[in-house]
Amino acid sequence: AQKITQTQPGMFVQEKEAVTLDCTYDTSDPSYGLFWYKQPSSGEMIFLIYQGSYDQQNATEGRYSLNFQKARKSANLVISASQLGDSAMYFCAMRGANAGNMLTFGGGTRLMVKP
Amino acid sequence: DTGVSQDPRHKITKRGQNVTFRCDPISEHNRLYWYRQTLGQGPEFLTYFQNEAQLEKSRLLSDRFSAERPKGSFSTLEIQRTEQGDSAMYLCASSGRQGLGEKLFFGSGTQLSVL
Repeated sequence: AQKITQTQPGMFVQEKEAVTLDCTYDTSDPSYGLFWYKQPSSGEMIFLIYQGSYDQQNATEGRYSLNFQKARKSANLVISASQLGDSAMYFCAMRGANAGNMLTFGGGTRLMVKP
Repeated sequence: DTGVSQDPRHKITKRGQNVTFRCDPISEHNRLYWYRQTLGQGPEFLTYFQNEAQLEKSRLLSDRFSAERPKGSFSTLEIQRTEQGDSAMYLCASSGRQGLGEKLFFGSGTQLSVL
């Protein structure tokens, strides 16, 4: 079984500052992938970043980086230089090698960027 | 690339009625997913198609739910004898690449309200 835990229901950040959204996971699969998706109020889930469990380096995509700590089973998302348009729900998700094609999502964190 | 389209965006129905939702994936994508998202939660996997074949179904998908993808292009999700607990956002996603790093492209969802 796979489980994703996001302990922060809501977060505030000042515009132009960095923010870290927490994600911990649990799986028995030896190989897995970790994802972050953004869901604005329009409802569409937007892919942000991916980290493979065997990747040696932390993933980065523009202002997004993933702080992957395998021993702690954490995959925190760091957003640098927050913008007002970053206000949205953020979901951490994982896919295990033995879990078929299913993507398991956490409960999400609502990020609010203050001007 | 016109993105994943879902229709309708909103559906209000009375308990016991049947409803059908449609999803048009990105045209070159052969993999299609349905997820359900209740208020304040992350999406939950319902079912997966590769071309026209339904290859995976979640235990969440009761016998009142049926999904089809007859020609390997668009897909429909039907809920028979709707119940109030079926009220949720139904999200469709597609992708063209299999693997741990498979990136899903989501539609904006169909919001179902069962009165």
